[in-house]
Amino acid sequence: GQQLNQSPQSMFIQEGEDVSMNCTSSSIFNTWLWYKQDPGEGPVLLIALYKAGELTSNGRLTAQFGITRKDSFLNISASIPSDVGIYFCAGFNTGKLIFGQGTTLQVKP
Amino acid sequence: DSGVTQTPKHLITATGQRVTLRCSPRSGDLSVYWYQQSLDQGLQFLIQYYNGEERAKGNILERFSAQQFPDLHSELNLSSLELGDSALYFCASSKILAGAGDTQYFGPGTRLTVL
Repeated sequence: GQQLNQSPQSMFIQEGEDVSMNCTSSSIFNTWLWYKQDPGEGPVLLIALYKAGELTSNGRLTAQFGITRKDSFLNISASIPSDVGIYFCAGFNTGKLIFGQGTTLQVKP
Repeated sequence: DSGVTQTPKHLITATGQRVTLRCSPRSGDLSVYWYQQSLDQGLQFLIQYYNGEERAKGNILERFSAQQFPDLHSELNLSSLELGDSALYFCASSKILAGAGDTQYFGPGTRLTVL
C-alpha cells in the first residue's frame, strides 16, 4: 500500500535554530498536509499544499509540495520552545489521507 | 479550536465491553473521518462518511462500525473490546470541495483505555 517515509524521526535543537523535515513516497499525492500534535491532543493543521511546486508560508513555517508530487518538506525558522511537539506529514490520494510516522521536535531554551 | 468536537474525552472500560464514541464535524463540513492512534502504529485511517454514506474504508476491524446521522454527527462503535484496542481515537472533518483537496481538521480525540 501507499506509505510515507518521514524524516528525521526526532530532533533535539537549540532555541533559535532552523528546523527542516521531509516526507517522501514512491506514490504520487495530489495534496500534502502538515500537522502538529501536542501530547494528548488532536493534530492541528499547519499548512496545506495542493499544487506541485507550491511553496506556502505560515508565519515561521514554510512548506513545499515537491515537483514530482512524491515529496514535501517543512521548515521552521528561528525555533522557540512552544514549537515542541510531533509534526506529521500527510498525503492525500485515491480517497485516503496517509500519514507519515511523525517527527518529534524538542527545543532546548 | 478546530471546530470538531468529540465526546467523551476519556473512556475506561473492560475487555469484552462495547463503547460508542461521538463526533460532531465543523459547521458546513459533510465528511467525517475516524482514525486510531496507538503508540506503535501512528495515525491509522479507519473509515470515512460523506453526507451520511460510507465513502472509504481503511484498516477497520469487523468489531468496529460507524455511522453518520442526518445532522452529520458520527458515532464510532467498538465492540468485544480487547486490550489492544486501547488508543486515542480521532475524528476529523472536511468539506471535500472539488479542486480543494482534502483538508481535514481534527477533533481533540477520545482516549480509550481497555482494562
